[in-house]
Amino acid sequence: KQEVTQIPAALSVPEGENLVLNCSFTDSAIYNLQWFRQDPGKGLTSLLLIQSSQREQTSGRLNASLDKSSGRSTLYIAASQPGDSATYLCAAYTGGFKTIFGAGTRLFVKA
Amino acid sequence: AAGVIQSPRHLIKEKRETATLKCYPIPRHDTVYWYQQGPGQDPQFLISFYEKMQSDKGSIPDRFSAQQFSDYHSELNMSSLELGDSALYFCASSLAGGGTGELFFGEGSRLTVL
Repeated sequence: KQEVTQIPAALSVPEGENLVLNCSFTDSAIYNLQWFRQDPGKGLTSLLLIQSSQREQTSGRLNASLDKSSGRSTLYIAASQPGDSATYLCAAYTGGFKTIFGAGTRLFVKA
Repeated sequence: AAGVIQSPRHLIKEKRETATLKCYPIPRHDTVYWYQQGPGQDPQFLISFYEKMQSDKGSIPDRFSAQQFSDYHSELNMSSLELGDSALYFCASSLAGGGTGELFFGEGSRLTVL
């Protein structure tokens, strides 16, 4: 059974700092791993999708990496801004039409 | 670009009542997923449909049922509502057949059970 863990649960950083969010999964036989952003009471916005054959994906100030052998993914946010404040969730898809989410990391970027 | 549409956005029901949530996936997406997210919790997988057939089942209560129709929209039916059913219900869609499998979520339907 796939389990997804995210560390840290919460993070507060000053504006401009670079930061890393961590995601680990127990079953390395994943098809893809996806990072989402969620604002309070809102839906989930897809940030990056990494296929199992890929090592990383980049979008603007965001870079996500995937290491299947160690069961880890990281989301790197460069030059953080107050508008980045949100909950970031990673989700692993191991087939069976079911994607398993981590509990998320609540990020607060101070101006 | 068209996104996943969910309705209603907000719903208030009494205990033991019935509620129906609707989801319209992104055009040409063949897979629909339903998730439940309680306050401060991560989304919990309920059920999914691929090409109008149930493809996987998660922690969906027996009081809940769902189906996907010929036009690919899906409905989640919840009966005998309990206070603990109060949550955000998300629908997501993806293109499983020949696609990347990337999930796209709707804005959610907030159910409040009084």
